[in-house]
Amino acid sequence: AQKITQTQPGMFVQEKEAVTLDCTYDTSDPSYGLFWYKQPSSGEMIFLIYQGSYDQQNATEGRYSLNFQKARKSANLVISASQLGDSAMYFCAMRITGGGNKLTFGTGTQLKVEL
Amino acid sequence: ETGVTQTPRHLVMGMTNKKSLKCEQHLGHNAMYWYKQSAKKPLELMFVYSLEERVENNSVPSRFSPECPNSSHLFLHLHTLQPEDSALYLCASTSTRLSSGNTIYFGEGSWLTVV
Repeated sequence: AQKITQTQPGMFVQEKEAVTLDCTYDTSDPSYGLFWYKQPSSGEMIFLIYQGSYDQQNATEGRYSLNFQKARKSANLVISASQLGDSAMYFCAMRITGGGNKLTFGTGTQLKVEL
Repeated sequence: ETGVTQTPRHLVMGMTNKKSLKCEQHLGHNAMYWYKQSAKKPLELMFVYSLEERVENNSVPSRFSPECPNSSHLFLHLHTLQPEDSALYLCASTSTRLSSGNTIYFGEGSWLTVV
């Protein structure tokens, strides 16, 4: 069975600072993908970044980067230069290749960016 | 705009009503999902359709009935719901073709309140 663990229910960061949101995962499958989504209070689930299990380099998308440590089974999201609009719920998720294309989600981290 | 559109965004229904949630994707994907998100709970996968065939039904009560008439449309028919069914219902889509990216895109969600 696959499992995603996000141990930080809530995080605070000051505007313009960097913040790291933790995610660890558990799977015995060698081929998988890791995702981060942002969910504002409006409810929409916004895709941020993707990392494949065989990717050699850490994924980056603008201010978002994924610190992928395969041996530790961690996929932390780093947000640089935080903005007030980054305040939202953040979910880590995993998809097993060939596993029915299902996404397994963590419980999320509520990020609050302060002035 | 993610290419996945859900209607209605908000729905209030009585326990004896029959209503439907609609999802449409314009991304050329061939797999679609329904997720349920209740307050303070992880996202729960309800149904997966791949190539218009239902491949997953995670023991969802029969008062929820999915329909996938083609690869672009997905419905969730609701009948005699309970107050505990009040939640955010999220639709998502992806491509299972090996030549395509792995990203799963979500709609904006439908907020359902059962009174």
